[in-house]
Amino acid sequence: GAVVSQHPSWVICKSGTSVKIECRSLDFQATTMFWYRQFPKQSLMLMATSNEGSKATYEQGVEKDKFLINHASLTLSTLTVTSAHPEDSSFYICSARHRDRNSGRFWNEQFFGPGTRLTVL
Amino acid sequence: AQTVTQSQPEMSVQEAETVTLSCTYDTSENNYYLFWYKQPPSRQMILVIRQEAYKQQNATENRFSVNFQKAAKSFSLKISDSQLGDTAMYFCAFMKLNAGGTSYGKLTFGQGTILTVHP
Repeated sequence: GAVVSQHPSWVICKSGTSVKIECRSLDFQATTMFWYRQFPKQSLMLMATSNEGSKATYEQGVEKDKFLINHASLTLSTLTVTSAHPEDSSFYICSARHRDRNSGRFWNEQFFGPGTRLTVL
Repeated sequence: AQTVTQSQPEMSVQEAETVTLSCTYDTSENNYYLFWYKQPPSRQMILVIRQEAYKQQNATENRFSVNFQKAAKSFSLKISDSQLGDTAMYFCAFMKLNAGGTSYGKLTFGQGTILTVHP
């Protein structure tokens, strides 16, 4: 259980276009999802926290209009990189917080998706 | 705010030997979790081990164990009998808990340590 998928795994796009990345929790409710950005051989940088049915909370320095996050259901969050430029090329990882269906309690653990490699030409 | 520091950018070890990865953190919180995550070349983040701050006993998971020193704010990972599949980037992470023992879910990561296991 507690599997998180991301789609696509790899995307190449032209500068100026928009790209949407999906993050799905496959077998559990994910009321909270997190989006990270990672450069090669560096740590994960939290971009935003996505809560189902409400606006995402962005970390300082992350452009809200550039990185649009939507969390419309308990199993799906999307990150849209708008008007992508080469400097947006990176590895994007989502994670989800597991909520027990019976007790309603949150697990104090995040489950990570496999990541999406974005290359902007 | 919390900070997590991994002072070893790269480490290497021979297969079957033991290696210890260091992690220190800074927090004023008393209730929190600490994690070690592994990121192999596939880049999938994998939870290695978890430690609740209120537990004095060090967590263990098969070949992986931690040395948790709460007063010193130190949380090292020991890998015994290293295997080639242990080659990965390892991240130490901190999660603050609220008074009820749950969290807001945010993780603070260290810079990571690249571990290479040589045959």
